[in-house]
Amino acid sequence: GPKVLQIPSHQIIDMGQMVTLNCDPVSNHLYFYWYKQILGQQMEFLVNFYNGKVMEKSKLFKDQFSVERPDGSYFTLKIQPTALEDSAVYFCASSLAGQSSYEQYFGPGTRLTVL
Amino acid sequence: SQWGEENLQALSIQEGEDVTMNCSYKTYTTVVHWYRQDSGRGPALIILIRSNEREKRSGRLRATLDTSSQSSSLSITAAQCEDTAVYFCATASSSFSKLVFGQGTSLSVVP
Repeated sequence: GPKVLQIPSHQIIDMGQMVTLNCDPVSNHLYFYWYKQILGQQMEFLVNFYNGKVMEKSKLFKDQFSVERPDGSYFTLKIQPTALEDSAVYFCASSLAGQSSYEQYFGPGTRLTVL
Repeated sequence: SQWGEENLQALSIQEGEDVTMNCSYKTYTTVVHWYRQDSGRGPALIILIRSNEREKRSGRLRATLDTSSQSSSLSITAAQCEDTAVYFCATASSSFSKLVFGQGTSLSVVP
């Protein structure tokens, strides 16, 4: 089936540094999402993105977070500066349309460790 | 939270048994997604049930939705070892369909 790719699979950085997580969504999808999962906890929505704009974001999507998809390339999540509590697995997802009945396809996640 | 008294349960059953996982939600939804997450992977949709459906089947999977009690269940018939995974229910709460996940159930099927 359609695949979402995420690069890198693991990232270890020092607190205060900048990190960019990259997502290669399904090619004809128009809606993009980031979710955060702390080990042993439920997946939580961060942000969704359509037509070059953030449509909705959660309170977890702090001011240090930003997303973009320049020129239809990778959909990125940037954290600058990072904090210890940003350590988690970040999942990217994409969907063909935004309605609730459309499947979101998830990537394998990027495990971020902030030291 | 979108979800009520939810379940990061851990269930262990034997191969061939049936199992049902439940979740309840607090706010209105038009659809409940059930996702499966294998270790080290992202979630994958296994069944989706809409508010106008009380039951949905897909192979050995059966989902139910009771909008009056705001609850949904996922049943697996004759579980197999490859059904071992974490199962999440999720609602889509807006027209731009952010998914709101429940705690999940970690299912282990042993021979």
